[in-house]
Amino acid sequence: DQQVKQNSPSLSVQEGRISILNCDYTNSMFDYFLWYKKYPAEGPTFLISISSIKDKNEDGRFTVFLNKSAKHLSLHIVPSQPGDSAVYFCAADIIQGAQKLVFGQGTRLTINP
Amino acid sequence: SQTIHQWPATLVQPVGSPLSLECTVEGTSNPNLYWYRQAAGRGLQLLFYSVGIGQISSEVPQNLSASRPQDRQFILSSKKLLLSDSGFYLCAWSGWGSGGSYNEQFFGPGTRLTVL
Repeated sequence: DQQVKQNSPSLSVQEGRISILNCDYTNSMFDYFLWYKKYPAEGPTFLISISSIKDKNEDGRFTVFLNKSAKHLSLHIVPSQPGDSAVYFCAADIIQGAQKLVFGQGTRLTINP
Repeated sequence: SQTIHQWPATLVQPVGSPLSLECTVEGTSNPNLYWYRQAAGRGLQLLFYSVGIGQISSEVPQNLSASRPQDRQFILSSKKLLLSDSGFYLCAWSGWGSGGSYNEQFFGPGTRLTVL
């Protein structure tokens, strides 16, 4: 049972434009969400997170939106830069739980010049 | 600040041989520790997690085991490797002192394991 899903395995965006990565979840108990960025042969690096008491969190070029009723979150990158090309994973957690993140399958973002 | 180390970076092992991957965390105390595997073209699969010394929870039945002999040391082992054990193994930690939320996990550089 895939509790966190990233339905787009890949996304291609022109440099300078907005990149929108999507993530859906099924478990209504999840109340904390994170995005990670991963380059090949490296560990994922934490990007941005959001708790369920918010619907938006912004950090520089990165903004995460949470729609709890739709069980959907998205990551917006504006403007997109070549260094943003990587695999992006969304993850979900239950704050009072065992701190086990459930990851989506990842979306490979390619920024074209 | 906190750092997480994993070694070796790459490993090529024959089928049936043993395995030992090590992970250590510096700059924090009593972290939660995790082992993940990323198979080729797949997402991150949680294998084991630990909330304290000697406390190991297994997420999926498999050919691997984990141990936590010290507070900031996490070891992934196998007595006999299978071809299906090939993948990219990641260690992660979470806990207080990360500068962020307690729930954020921070990953090591990973170990590329190829079983031939």
